[in-house]
Order: sequence, then C-alpha cells, then structure tokens
Amino acid sequence: KAGVTQTPRYLIKTRGQQVTLSCSPISGHRSVSWYQQTPGQGLQFLFEYFSETQRNKGNFPGRFSGRQFSNSRSEMNVSTLELGDSALYLCASSEFSGTDTQYFGPGTRLTVL
Amino acid sequence: AQTVTQSQPEMSVQEAETVTLSCTYDTSESDYYLFWYKQPPSRQMILVIRQEAYKQQNATENRFSVNFQKAAKSFSLKISDSQLGDAAMYFCAYRGSNTGNQFYFGTGTSLTVIP
Repeated sequence: KAGVTQTPRYLIKTRGQQVTLSCSPISGHRSVSWYQQTPGQGLQFLFEYFSETQRNKGNFPGRFSGRQFSNSRSEMNVSTLELGDSALYLCASSEFSGTDTQYFGPGTRLTVL
Repeated sequence: AQTVTQSQPEMSVQEAETVTLSCTYDTSESDYYLFWYKQPPSRQMILVIRQEAYKQQNATENRFSVNFQKAAKSFSLKISDSQLGDAAMYFCAYRGSNTGNQFYFGTGTSLTVIP
C-alpha cells in the first residue's frame, strides 16, 4: 500500500495570509491526525478526524481548523498566518480512531515571512 | 495531563555497539500504549517499536528492544549492533486508552552513529 502523502511539501507564505495543507491517508485508514513540529515546542497535537468528524482537538487557537472528506483525505487550514506558525506540519493516519499505531506522512514545511 | 520526558537531548554510539535511549512518562491511566518513532534527516517519522502496557513481555523488533518498567513509568529503547542508518532523532510517544488518537511526544533524542 502507498504510504501517507502530504501536499505541498514546502510552502512559503506571508503574515496575514491563509494556507491549506492536504493529507491523503493510507488506503483503508479512516483516522487522520495532524501535528505541528517546531524546534521550541516539539511535536504538538492539533486535531484528529475520523469518518469526517473531529474527534479530538489540541490546544491551538481557532485559526487552525481542519476537515475530512468522505474518502478520508483531510485538509488543514490556518488563517491569518503568524510568524510563529512556521513549522513542519505532520499528518498521521490509522485504521480506526483509538488504534495503537499511527503512520506518518513526510510533512509540509511551512515558512511564514 | 500526560507528559513524556526524554532526558537525553543527544547521544552518540560507535558503529556496531549498543546504545540505550531513555524515556519516562507520567499518567494516571492503567491502559495505554508506548512507542518509539525515528525521524531521520528526511523528516519522515517511522515507527520503530511499540509496547502495550498490559503486556509484561518487552517488545522486540530485530535490533531494537525496549525495557518497559510499568511501575517506574520507564520505557527505554535499546539499539544493538548500531548502524550508520540508525542516526536520527528518536521520539518516545504515549497514547492512552481514553485519549483517542492523541499522541503525546517527548522532546526527542538525537542519535549520532560514529563510524
């Protein structure tokens, strides 16, 4: 099976803009989780979607949102970008919500200027 | 809240030698899963090994094994016969039975393998 794919791999935006990141899970996986990775804060959980419903949400402002489509693909949106949003955004999929293993995509490197 | 602590920001090991990476965690849950993930410079996170808390037997995957001490809330990773390809950032992660798919990660240990 193909692994988790994320597009785009690299993105440069300016403050105040918005951005949409995409994640395609492993075929058959219905749960998609998003993480933000920064040198200062490490890996932080953003949210999880399962069967088009948000199941869990981390401690991030409302500027961060997401959705999941019927084919399990997920998008994450960040509005009104700030410099501190520069990070590697990782997507992970698992077959079900609450199963024990997540498989990660290669990430999207977002730079906010 | 669950916390995961990796007290070794950096470690190094000679090729073919053995190295142990430390991880401790704090939880009030009795049922949970623990993981070690590897993130090489390519940035793709790769699952190394996982351990179910209800299993007393330590997990093993080829050259990788864990020492799981539930009472001490300790979960160390041993890499035997270290290879150059083992060089990466290693993250310890926790997932509770009641926290859905939310993983809690440690801050990582950067492993250097010396030829």
